[in-house]
Amino acid sequence: DQQVKQNSPSLSVQEGRISILNCDYTNSMFDYFLWYKKYPAEGPTFLISISSIKDKNEDGRFTVFLNKSAKHLSLHIVPSQPGDSAVYFCAASSGNTGKLIFGQGTTLQVKP
Amino acid sequence: NAGVTQTPKFRILKIGQSMTLQCAQDMNHNYMYWYRQDPGMGLKLIYYSVGAGITDKGEVPNGYNVSRSTTEDFPLRLELAAPSQTSVYFCASTPTAERLYGYTFGSGTRLTVV
Repeated sequence: DQQVKQNSPSLSVQEGRISILNCDYTNSMFDYFLWYKKYPAEGPTFLISISSIKDKNEDGRFTVFLNKSAKHLSLHIVPSQPGDSAVYFCAASSGNTGKLIFGQGTTLQVKP
Repeated sequence: NAGVTQTPKFRILKIGQSMTLQCAQDMNHNYMYWYRQDPGMGLKLIYYSVGAGITDKGEVPNGYNVSRSTTEDFPLRLELAAPSQTSVYFCASTPTAERLYGYTFGSGTRLTVV
């Protein structure tokens, strides 16, 4: 029973265009959502987060959108750069222990 | 700024052997976590700790044990290694349960059980 799902294993975009990574969840008790980026042979690094009381959060080229009625969030990267090529994980959390539940990840390839 | 340090980076174990994966952080973070990542899968929580002396199970605790005697260290013990424990293990920490700012992860330990 996967509570956080990333249904697209991979995505390829041209440099300069928009990358849109999607994530669906099933648990309506989740109150925080996060995106992490992972390069090979490294640990994940935190990218951006959003509280469930908001529907959008922006940080530079990265914007996360949350649609609670659809239980769906997305990460937009504009403009995409070759250095953005990595695996992106969405994660969700509820409660006060800081525990995260991760999706399976989406591999983004940005072509020059 | 060492952050979260995991040792070893790689290890091959034979079935039935035991080992301890080390995790240390120098940021005075109270909350620490152990995750495993299997190929094509997301990270799954094994154990976590909200402070020295306090630990609790995550989603996939079977076959593992932890201890947290100091704020800095959170070792993960594998007893009687099995092929199903072949995975990449990540340790992470965060100062509080405030989830807006994410974890700091270590670089991982790649374990193969043969």
